[in-house]
Amino acid sequence: GAGVSQTPSNKVTEKGKYVELRCDPISGHTALYWYRQSLGQGPEFLIYFQGTGAADDSGLPNDRFFAVRPEGSVSTLKIQRTERGDSAMYLCASSLNPAGPGETQYFGPGTRLLVL
Amino acid sequence: DQQVKQNSPSLSVQEGRISILNCDYTNSMFDYFLWYKKYPAEGPTFLISISSIKDKNEDGRFTVFLNKSAKHLSLHIVPSQPGDSAVYFCAASTGANSKLTFGKGITLSVRP
Repeated sequence: GAGVSQTPSNKVTEKGKYVELRCDPISGHTALYWYRQSLGQGPEFLIYFQGTGAADDSGLPNDRFFAVRPEGSVSTLKIQRTERGDSAMYLCASSLNPAGPGETQYFGPGTRLLVL
Repeated sequence: DQQVKQNSPSLSVQEGRISILNCDYTNSMFDYFLWYKKYPAEGPTFLISISSIKDKNEDGRFTVFLNKSAKHLSLHIVPSQPGDSAVYFCAASTGANSKLTFGKGITLSVRP
């Protein structure tokens, strides 16, 4: 079946602009996660959705970052007033069941964001 | 403060030999550990996992060992194949929350 998909694959924007990154999870997966990976680092957790609600948004770096999942499937990560430091690979993952150890997270290919 | 540490940035091994990738963690609340493999331009792919109630989990050529007292785990790949060349991430989570904490990754190169 289809895996996690993310669009766009690459996004170049100017400092101060607004961007939206989209994630389509695996069909039927209730949990959805956003991570950010900077160069030379491992992925860092941003936010986790269970259904439509954000169950844990402790990883969002500041209030310029916001994510939604209005129908419990597709999610959009929104970044306002982008800064050069926001440049990174943004990864989305989904898992079948609610949070808990043993639930494998399946990752999409990521969106590479470059803020000039 | 890195809670999951992969101290070696790279490893090179000969095809057919064993690859041993190490990972250390500091948070004693972690109770589930995973290894992901990542090829360029792709997202991380789940490889193998282990619960803290076990000390070993094996899946084909891949075995993960967990030493809770030392807060250390390792991934063994035997025999190593050129197609195993990739970046390997160690990750951990707690029972209360499935968010993953990743290490920085290690680049494995398997020489033909």
